[in-house]
Amino acid sequence: VQLVESGGGLVQPGGSLRLSCKDSGFTFSSDWMSWVRQAPGKGLEWVAGINQDGGAKYYVDSVKGRFTISRDNAKNSLYLQMDSLRAEDTAVYYCARGMITVIDWGQGTLVTVSS
Amino acid sequence: QSALTQPPSASGSPGQSVTISCAGTSSDVGGFNSVSWYQQHPGKAPKLMIYEVTKRPSGVPDRFSGSKSGNTASLTVSGLQAEDEADYYCTSYAGSNNLVFGGGTKLTVL
Repeated sequence: VQLVESGGGLVQPGGSLRLSCKDSGFTFSSDWMSWVRQAPGKGLEWVAGINQDGGAKYYVDSVKGRFTISRDNAKNSLYLQMDSLRAEDTAVYYCARGMITVIDWGQGTLVTVSS
Repeated sequence: QSALTQPPSASGSPGQSVTISCAGTSSDVGGFNSVSWYQQHPGKAPKLMIYEVTKRPSGVPDRFSGSKSGNTASLTVSGLQAEDEADYYCTSYAGSNNLVFGGGTKLTVL
């Protein structure tokens, strides 16, 4: 498994959480990266994407202004800062290599937003 | 950013072929050759099966094939096997740096 997520957990509505993804491979700095989520029993939803040098970042409308994707190529790591969390953000969050085509997925980390 | 439309379920007997559709619009499926298909077994991460409409990653059996006509893409699984039973999701680039997924199709091997 090359992509390993961490940072998930239980958070209250309005709270914040920072997800991390560590890539043990050798191509991280050359790859677009994304976060994709899956609510319990539901389908997949693309959340955010970032280009190779972090200069371009894109988000699904429902998280714009609340979530921030970033990366540290020196650490082979991808991040997702999630603020103003809502109940509907509850999901398994997958770290993903690629954006238009996701060629590799992590195992996911569960984020639960509940009081 | 509307989701693509997939049938909620599909089924077939071992050895048969089954086709799963993915309906979009001219702004996504019809406008770009960027349709991918992912297989997801329960409790597991998704796996890329088809990309750029028809291409198969290394290691994916040639029983899996993709196509597109107009605003609808399709995934065909030939020679169904028990291990093909899973959820399948289509996705397409939707312009303006957006990606949309289908709602998913549960494939049952009878």
